[in-house]
Amino acid sequence: EAQVTQNPRYLITVTGKKLTVTCSQNMNHEYMSWYRQDPGLGLRQIYYSMNVEVTDKGDVPEGYKVSRKEKRNFPLILESPSPNQTSLYFCASSLLAGPTPFFGPGTRLTVL
Amino acid sequence: AQSVTQLGSHVSVSEGALVLLRCNYSSSVPPYLFWYVQYPNQGLQLLLKYTTGATLVKGINGFEAEFKKSETSFHLTKPSAHMSDAAEYFCAVRTAGGNTPLVFGKGTRLSVIA
Repeated sequence: EAQVTQNPRYLITVTGKKLTVTCSQNMNHEYMSWYRQDPGLGLRQIYYSMNVEVTDKGDVPEGYKVSRKEKRNFPLILESPSPNQTSLYFCASSLLAGPTPFFGPGTRLTVL
Repeated sequence: AQSVTQLGSHVSVSEGALVLLRCNYSSSVPPYLFWYVQYPNQGLQLLLKYTTGATLVKGINGFEAEFKKSETSFHLTKPSAHMSDAAEYFCAVRTAGGNTPLVFGKGTRLSVIA
């Protein structure tokens, strides 16, 4: 089954404790991206990647890092999380020239 | 830069009434347009999309949307609202033919009153 998976689905952590949210897709998509969703703001892109070892900032990259060492994986790293990063995070993937992104199920992160 | 405006952060309709959720976009090149629905505590589900071809697009659950280039609009409609349609709806735009991000509107919460 074609899918984008994210882990963990729910996470409660404390300020400053490094964490990684994993994202994996099985569709051989080149393009992957991370979004955060906040009430009243919709979804905003954090980072994206057009292929292995190619990443770039989206609209709200501050406080986040990503890597793309393999085509299927695109982890989101918060090296020193802060409460303002409490949010719902979505990973998405698509073909580079394809119109439709596939979204993961979301990760709800709470930073205390 | 692309942008999406959804008119009305909250829309209430009676059960059986017409649902109309408005979306206007700005894009300097032909866009791909999407509507997503998010039920409480769930992820995003693609309702429908316009890429090329017919400008009236039918989606799941009886929803449809019409791409109107002259009005830069992609409004979502459903003839008769059902209680199960209560959710948040997001309009999104992506530039056709490129490796560009999907840009979302801020969302419209639909309430259906019995």
